[in-house]
Amino acid sequence: GAGVSQSPRYKVAKRGQDVALRCDPISGHVSLFWYQQALGQGPEFLTYFQNEAQLDKSGLPSDRFFAERPEGSVSTLKIQRTQQEDSAVYLCASSVRQGPSYEQYFGPGTRLTVT
Amino acid sequence: DAKTTQPNSMESNEEEPVHLPCNHSTISGTDYIHWYRQLPSQGPEYVIHGLTSNVNNRMASLAIAEDRKSSTLILHRATLRDAAVYYCILRDLNNAGNMLTFGGGTRLMVKP
Repeated sequence: GAGVSQSPRYKVAKRGQDVALRCDPISGHVSLFWYQQALGQGPEFLTYFQNEAQLDKSGLPSDRFFAERPEGSVSTLKIQRTQQEDSAVYLCASSVRQGPSYEQYFGPGTRLTVT
Repeated sequence: DAKTTQPNSMESNEEEPVHLPCNHSTISGTDYIHWYRQLPSQGPEYVIHGLTSNVNNRMASLAIAEDRKSSTLILHRATLRDAAVYYCILRDLNNAGNMLTFGGGTRLMVKP
């Protein structure tokens, strides 16, 4: 079946530009997570949705980062006025429901390069 | 959240078993032990998880120490495709968000 998809796979942005990264979770999955992975590091949590509700955004590094999931399915991570330190792979994951015994399914990620 | 400690890297020969250790001495009674792996240029993928008892699935086995302060991921016959970074992660039953907290992981290299 279809897994988690993300688009674009690669994005190059000039410093100061706004970018929008899309995540299509597995159909019917209630929970959706965004992670940021810097080169050579493990992924770090950014934000979490349960259906359309954003329940945790404690990992967003600044107010330039904004995420939404208006209809409880597709999610968009927006970064305003991109900076070089935003260069990373942005990973989206979904889970059938909330809870520590449910696995998360990851997309391939969007590699963002800010020049 | 309780932390985990893993070796930075390990090597294995193809078709031999691999034992990947993880220490989690501050684990709480409500922490599940999860393993994910990340192949080059891909997102992480779930491998296995357990709470107290040893677990087996088609990918691997998870052996959990009796005091739960350590665990071992066992790949029964390593293949070249198993070369990846393996992450041992604790997930707290009481953490409503249940996000994954990744450490540095163990980079597994498989030699033909």
